[in-house]
Amino acid sequence: SQQGEEDPQALSIQEGENATMNCSYKTSINNLQWYRQNSGRGLVHLILIRSNEREKHSGRLRVTLDTSKKSSSLLITASRAADTASYFCATDNAGNMLTFGGGTRLMVKP
Amino acid sequence: ETGVTQTPRHLVMGMTNKKSLKCEQHLGHNAMYWYKQSAKKPLELMFVYNFKEQTENNSVPSRFSPECPNSSHLFLHLHTLQPEDSALYLCASSHRLGQVNTEAFFGQGTRLTVV
Repeated sequence: SQQGEEDPQALSIQEGENATMNCSYKTSINNLQWYRQNSGRGLVHLILIRSNEREKHSGRLRVTLDTSKKSSSLLITASRAADTASYFCATDNAGNMLTFGGGTRLMVKP
Repeated sequence: ETGVTQTPRHLVMGMTNKKSLKCEQHLGHNAMYWYKQSAKKPLELMFVYNFKEQTENNSVPSRFSPECPNSSHLFLHLHTLQPEDSALYLCASSHRLGQVNTEAFFGQGTRLTVV
């Protein structure tokens, strides 16, 4: 069953702008993870935020987690054309049994 | 390069064929997974192995048969598939089930087309 649901499903921005993607989930979690997928390729782990954390940064990425609302957001600042990809949130509520959402397709125009 | 290698990268097979997908990881992980990614659908977890033992079969049809001979290798044997089975099949690994707050490492996937 689908645990995380990303919003929006698709996002198109200009290079240099910020991109924000949201994820909502339904059950309690140990952590929430964000992954990136280039077209037709495997997923690459970006960042993990634990259930007792509220915000985490990694380079141009900023992730927030609100467990009371069962939601998370991924912010990519100063986007680049190379950031064009699909982004997925995944929830871990049973020790690595990741459940993925449908993803957000991000297009960054040069 | 994630340390998880899948072969072949592309596969076209007829509905009466038998083929196998292979996944190998060099990360020392003990949990391995098969996911199916169809167009416009979320990733679907198919099978989970932990220390070579199957721990999850997510109601997958029997025409998909997994095999895990050791913690480094995972196979997905395919027979009498249907066109709707065409998808990207992704293998992943992680340290072990039950170890919280660790990430999964994915292979590049096998793009399967059933004709």
